[in-house]
Amino acid sequence: AQKITQTQPGMFVQEKEAVTLDCTYDTSDPSYGLFWYKQPSSGEMIFLIYQGSYDQQNATEGRYSLNFQKARKSANLVISASQLGDSAMYFCAMRGTQGGSEKLVFGKGTKLTVNP
Amino acid sequence: DAMVIQNPRYQVTQFGKPVTLSCSQTLNHNVMYWYQQKSSQAPKLLFHYYDKDFNNEADTPDNFQSRRPNTSFCFLDIRSPGLGDAAMYLCATSRDYVGNQPQHFGDGTRLSIL
Repeated sequence: AQKITQTQPGMFVQEKEAVTLDCTYDTSDPSYGLFWYKQPSSGEMIFLIYQGSYDQQNATEGRYSLNFQKARKSANLVISASQLGDSAMYFCAMRGTQGGSEKLVFGKGTKLTVNP
Repeated sequence: DAMVIQNPRYQVTQFGKPVTLSCSQTLNHNVMYWYQQKSSQAPKLLFHYYDKDFNNEADTPDNFQSRRPNTSFCFLDIRSPGLGDAAMYLCATSRDYVGNQPQHFGDGTRLSIL
């Protein structure tokens, strides 16, 4: 069974600083994908970034980057130059590509607050 | 432009009164999902369709049903809502089952039970 662990219920960061949100995972699938989603208080889930298990380089999308350490089974999200609009819940999720690829397994989320 | 549209954004119903939530998509994706998300929790998958093939999660209560009359629309029916069914309901789509494709979510419907 796949499992995602986000150990930080809440994080605080000053505006314009960088912040790292932790995510560790467990799976027996040799091939898998890791996703990060942002959920503002309004409720919509916004896809941020994807990392495939066989990708050689860490994924980047604008101010978002993924610190992928496969041997440690971690996929931490780094947000650079935080903005007030980054305040939201952040969910790490995994999707297997063998047996269970139809599901996203979510972590419990981290609530990020950006202070002015 | 919104690609996964959920209506309504807020729904209030009475205890035991059937309610239907709707989801439509303009992405022409094969897969449509329904999630339930309670306050301060992760989304929980209820069921999903691959085209017309329905896939129910083992722990989804019988009180929850779904219909997908065509590619674009999917409905969530709650036959006799209880107080514990108050939650955000999220619809999502993906083109296929391939692992690197993100799911695209709608804005959600927040359901309240009186």
